[in-house]
Amino acid sequence: GENVEQHPSTLSVQEGDSAVIKCTYSDSASNYFPWYKQELGKGPQLIIDIRSNVGEKKDQRIAVTLNKTAKHFSLHITETQPEDSAVYFCAASKNSGTYKYIFGTGTRLKVLA
Amino acid sequence: EPEVTQTPSHQVTQMGQEVILRCVPISNHLYFYWYRQILGQKVEFLVSFYNNEISEKSEIFDDQFSVERPDGSNFTLKIRSTKLEDSAMYFCASSGLREYFGPGTRLLVL
Repeated sequence: GENVEQHPSTLSVQEGDSAVIKCTYSDSASNYFPWYKQELGKGPQLIIDIRSNVGEKKDQRIAVTLNKTAKHFSLHITETQPEDSAVYFCAASKNSGTYKYIFGTGTRLKVLA
Repeated sequence: EPEVTQTPSHQVTQMGQEVILRCVPISNHLYFYWYRQILGQKVEFLVSFYNNEISEKSEIFDDQFSVERPDGSNFTLKIRSTKLEDSAMYFCASSGLREYFGPGTRLLVL
């Protein structure tokens, strides 16, 4: 069935260092891969997304890479700041606007000041 | 910026009682979803809704659950007879080009 694996489950980095979170999806028909940040007690907030016709996308300190052949995609956060501390979820979908999202298990990122 | 809103933010209920969770999706969106997140676990898909009918539902979405769009703005999730294991955070989402999530309703079944 449809599944998204996410690693690591927890990640601690020093402020200013980079953080990388990796996801693997099972459904080869998936073509849209968003990343969400969830702060305590709040709903998931979209931070970046990538479609399958693109291999990499960057937005300031955040970048996402996609390897469609291997069915891997990764989130990269550079120059981490304490406010980056949150739970990050990857997701995969067959269509960004009309199809359900399958979420990964989440990564709790802690940025140490 | 438009956002998805949900009420109530918290709901405590007794096992066996009915609850209705309410959502106001973003106004020009056509697809609506409910997800749930049990404490400390991942977000799980429950149901999607389009053109006034369910387009897909998961195994979790059994006969105890129902969704409705009673008017032009609200989207509701009803749990007919709550069980202890229904305790979770319930998120509504709506999509245009992308899905946007509401802040959630924390449901506690005692």
